[in-house]
Amino acid sequence: GDSVTQTEGLVTLTKGLPVMLNCTYQTTYSPFLFWYVQHLNEAPKLLLKSSTDNKRTEHQGFYATLHKSSSSFHLQKSSVQLSDSALYFCAFPTGGYKVVFGSGTRLLVSP
Amino acid sequence: GALVYQYPRRTICKSGTSMRMECQAVGFQATSVAWYRQSPQKTFELIALSTVNSAIKYEQNFTQEKFPISHPNLSFSSMTVLNAYLEDRGLYLCGARNGTTSGNTLYFGEGSRLIVV
Repeated sequence: GDSVTQTEGLVTLTKGLPVMLNCTYQTTYSPFLFWYVQHLNEAPKLLLKSSTDNKRTEHQGFYATLHKSSSSFHLQKSSVQLSDSALYFCAFPTGGYKVVFGSGTRLLVSP
Repeated sequence: GALVYQYPRRTICKSGTSMRMECQAVGFQATSVAWYRQSPQKTFELIALSTVNSAIKYEQNFTQEKFPISHPNLSFSSMTVLNAYLEDRGLYLCGARNGTTSGNTLYFGEGSRLIVV
């Protein structure tokens, strides 16, 4: 069935370092992948999305490239900031209205 | 822009009582509304998916009798948690989309946190 697998659990980094949060997916549909970010006590918000193979998508310093050959959509940032501490979810819509989410990765950035 | 307002943000209810939450889409037509529960482990559980002109589809372990949902028009949806107990605690999120095109973004409301005492 349709599923998303993300980097498990907690990722802890010092400010200024690069980060990559892994996301791989499994689906029979033509994928449109999303990354959502959820800060503490807030709703998830769309960070970026893409359906174009091998094209880099960027927003707010984060970027990701959809690779259909490896079914991946890893989220990266070259230099994390304290404000990037949050939960990150990878997701994609299946046929119709349903959206499948990964289990989430918590990013904690320390000074 | 597209926004989803969800209220109340937080409810404390006694065990066995009910909580109703509402979701209002602004700036777009919510042709589908999905209700999720986010557990303390922070994963999303889909409760049900409501689309206009279709029956509401509940996921396994969730029933209409426990989580009745109303989606009367393209801007509003509500869900009630009936007879809430400790295991119903969590953050309930509504997510609304316009259309079935894969690229249509799912916009979330701010969430309704249910605390059962």
